[in-house]
Amino acid sequence: QVQLAESGGGVVQPGGSLRLACVTSGFNFRSFGMHWVRQAPGKGLQWVALSRIDDPNVYYADSVKGRFTVSRDNSKNTLYLQMNNLTPDDTAVYFCARDRWSLGVQIASWGQGVPVVVSS
Amino acid sequence: QSALTQEASVSGTVGQRVTLSCSGNNNNIGSYDVGWYQQTPHGAPKTVMLGNSLPSGIPARFSGSKSGTTASLTISGLQPEDEGEYYCSTWDSNLRAHVFGPGTQVSV
Repeated sequence: QVQLAESGGGVVQPGGSLRLACVTSGFNFRSFGMHWVRQAPGKGLQWVALSRIDDPNVYYADSVKGRFTVSRDNSKNTLYLQMNNLTPDDTAVYFCARDRWSLGVQIASWGQGVPVVVSS
Repeated sequence: QSALTQEASVSGTVGQRVTLSCSGNNNNIGSYDVGWYQQTPHGAPKTVMLGNSLPSGIPARFSGSKSGTTASLTISGLQPEDEGEYYCSTWDSNLRAHVFGPGTQVSV
């Protein structure tokens, strides 16, 4: 079955950086689009970024554009989220998610999430 | 301000039929299928509907539909385990972003 396992979260000071990883299994990683979604404490789901397979572009939410970078290593079936210049507003649980296909329209599977706390 | 709108809350009794709605515009729901996700407190979201297709392992009491720029999730025969927050989402071609609704709290 599809499994998504996030890691790399933790506590970081404002202005700092973190890199999240999402190790996947149970499906052909090269054939599916992958999302990062976050949820701030007590808030709803907020989409962060999408990596498609048929498009070299990665799409980002305006709130993270220029600070966050998504990459994927198909040889390791792993998705990454490099987060720079973090602010307290980035405090959230970050979920890795697999698209239903690659278009970014629907999310089929979710990881358990990893917490990121930005605080001095 | 979300591109999609949902009811804040819906409640029902065990066995009742309830319908959740998700409204958007021609750039999102009017052009693309909608996903529905259930989230219980302190848990990860779980996909319960993809358009009108039921993911593996999701009970058949869940069904999905769409008319124009509004999508609906119907739970026919509400069960206690159906409690939780339900989010809808899809792609928005104008925003070039995946968009979520604010969520609907379902109480049984």
